[in-house]
Amino acid sequence: DGGITQSPKYLFRKEGQNVTLSCEQNLNHDAMYWYRQDPGQGLRLIYYSQIVNDFQKGDIAEGYSVSREKKESFPLTVTSAQKNPTAFYLCASSYYRVNQPQHFGDGTRLSIL
Amino acid sequence: GESVGLHLPTLSVQEGDNSIINCAYSNSASDYFIWYKQESGKGPQFIIDIRSNMDKRQGQRVTVLLNKTVKHLSLQIAATQPGDSAVYFCAENPIQGAQKLVFGQGTRLTINP
Repeated sequence: DGGITQSPKYLFRKEGQNVTLSCEQNLNHDAMYWYRQDPGQGLRLIYYSQIVNDFQKGDIAEGYSVSREKKESFPLTVTSAQKNPTAFYLCASSYYRVNQPQHFGDGTRLSIL
Repeated sequence: GESVGLHLPTLSVQEGDNSIINCAYSNSASDYFIWYKQESGKGPQFIIDIRSNMDKRQGQRVTVLLNKTVKHLSLQIAATQPGDSAVYFCAENPIQGAQKLVFGQGTRLTINP
């Protein structure tokens, strides 16, 4: 079945560590996105990529980094510079055409030990 | 399950009744709107979308209404079922030709038996 796979579902980070969240899609979508979700708030865009080897900052990119070496994969690294990393992280993908819905994975919950 | 929002607006309806979830969007230039359903611990699931050149669109048991004059979007769910319990988000695309969605805070729908 086609879909978006995020792993792991739960992740724990020690202070000062970088951690990488995985996102893979087999929908043949061009564009991929990372969002952060906090309780009581909607989704906020961290980074997005419209094509391979290109990506742009979203609204809250500080403390995060991404790469897009393959069409199917868009990993997110939460660096030690991100001071409040505890959140639910969601990856999405879509066709790179006007007015196309984004489809989401089931998220990774990151917590600080 | 995990909570995606601790202080969300909440709508409670009786099983079998119709539900109406409202959303006020912010940008009069937005040309595309989406409704998502998010169950506890999962990613948002696409429900229905509508373009700004329409004022109504129907799906299976759902209808989206768009009032551009007052920048208001609503989702109507017919004959609400227990499986409809979730948080519902509206999203707008404020930049024509881009793929950057802006999400609302969400509304929690609870079904009374």
